[in-house]
Amino acid sequence: NAGVTQTPKFQVLKTGQSMTLQCAQDMNHNSMYWYRQDPGMGLRLIYYSASEGTTDKGEVPNGYNVSRLNKREFSLRLESAAPSQTSVYFCASTLGYSYEQYFGPGTRLTVT
Amino acid sequence: TQLLEQSPQFLSIQEGENLTVYCNSSSVFSSLQWYRQEPGEGPVLLVTVVTGGEVKKLKRLTFQFGDARKDSSLHITAAQPGDTGLYLCAGGSNYKLTFGKGTLLTVNP
Repeated sequence: NAGVTQTPKFQVLKTGQSMTLQCAQDMNHNSMYWYRQDPGMGLRLIYYSASEGTTDKGEVPNGYNVSRLNKREFSLRLESAAPSQTSVYFCASTLGYSYEQYFGPGTRLTVT
Repeated sequence: TQLLEQSPQFLSIQEGENLTVYCNSSSVFSSLQWYRQEPGEGPVLLVTVVTGGEVKKLKRLTFQFGDARKDSSLHITAAQPGDTGLYLCAGGSNYKLTFGKGTLLTVNP
């Protein structure tokens, strides 16, 4: 079991460029989440998907879109990157109604 | 908006000392988790507490959930350098977690 995997691990973008962060889990979990982590701000929820076919906004959704491609995969897209989106992005998953989340290793994104 | 406040924000101690970190909220949560995060990695779940007043022990770590399910504490006995990391508490409600900002613990040999 690989658990939760994320690609890429590192990325540098110029302002205005777009990119998609990929996340996949092999634990047959129903719910998946995208967070960003900034110094002094903790983990903030961007979007989540409670089950395949559904997505909902979290605390900081502006500038992002998501796709729950299937039960395993949940991608996060930045359509026009801004320096304020420089952050570490974590994907997480959980089984059913459990709150016990399993995290990926993160993607470190810098927007210049 | 539900908020979780953790204290202290930073803690630097010597190996062998005991410590307690706190997680407080004005909101009631269905459950509360503690995670530990090491540099360059994602958070890893340590424990989940669900019942008010619940106490769970994980080797030298003791976790307590407040009677009103609004606060929690993590006590580490005889801290070791391997305990160094960012400790995050998270409250569960409406199928989502709200995270505190964390306590950065450094245990010096």
